[in-house]
Amino acid sequence: EAAVTQSPRNKVAVTGGKVTLSCNQTNNHNNMYWYRQDTGHGLRLIHYSYGAGSTEKGDIPDGYKASRPSQENFSLILELATPSQTSVYFCASAGGATETLYFGSGTRLTVL
Amino acid sequence: QQKVQQSPESLSVPEGGMASLNCTSSDRNFQYFWWYRQHSGEGPKALMSIFSDGDKKEGRFTAHLNKASLHVSLHIRDSQPSDSALYFCAALYNTNTGKLTFGDGTVLTVKP
Repeated sequence: EAAVTQSPRNKVAVTGGKVTLSCNQTNNHNNMYWYRQDTGHGLRLIHYSYGAGSTEKGDIPDGYKASRPSQENFSLILELATPSQTSVYFCASAGGATETLYFGSGTRLTVL
Repeated sequence: QQKVQQSPESLSVPEGGMASLNCTSSDRNFQYFWWYRQHSGEGPKALMSIFSDGDKKEGRFTAHLNKASLHVSLHIRDSQPSDSALYFCAALYNTNTGKLTFGDGTVLTVKP
């Protein structure tokens, strides 16, 4: 089974602080994605990547940056965290555009 | 913006019963539909994908796609308490990007 590991599992941040969420996959997948999950909104795409060095904006990129320094690692960065960014964040990877998406276990972020 | 509408929001069935979940695309230019399942505290996991009209069966799960009506359904026969979860439908509109658009989900409860 494909493995996607997210860290931390839980994070409490202060408004205006910088937050970095990390994701590692050992599947050698080219595509990686960051989603957030809020009650009533399902999963919404923030940023995605086709490989090392590439990042693309998803449907709700405002207030977020992404970094893909290697095939295995994909980070989501909140430079100035706001309470509206309190959510559960999921990282996922896939071998290609039409292939199965494998999700991590999520990071619960609370911004106070 | 392309959207995926799921119904019902929640569903309760007795153990051994049939659960039927529905999903409709706002745009007829979808390439694939996916069904994902998420148990509490975990990341979503793929159940199956479908891209041709008709039925696709995997064990107790059957997906049915009607392209003309932009509608896909998931039927779970012989439902088990372990099937209790949040079910997402997701549409792939662009095979170049691999971006999935998720619905808001259906909460399925299977009562022993």
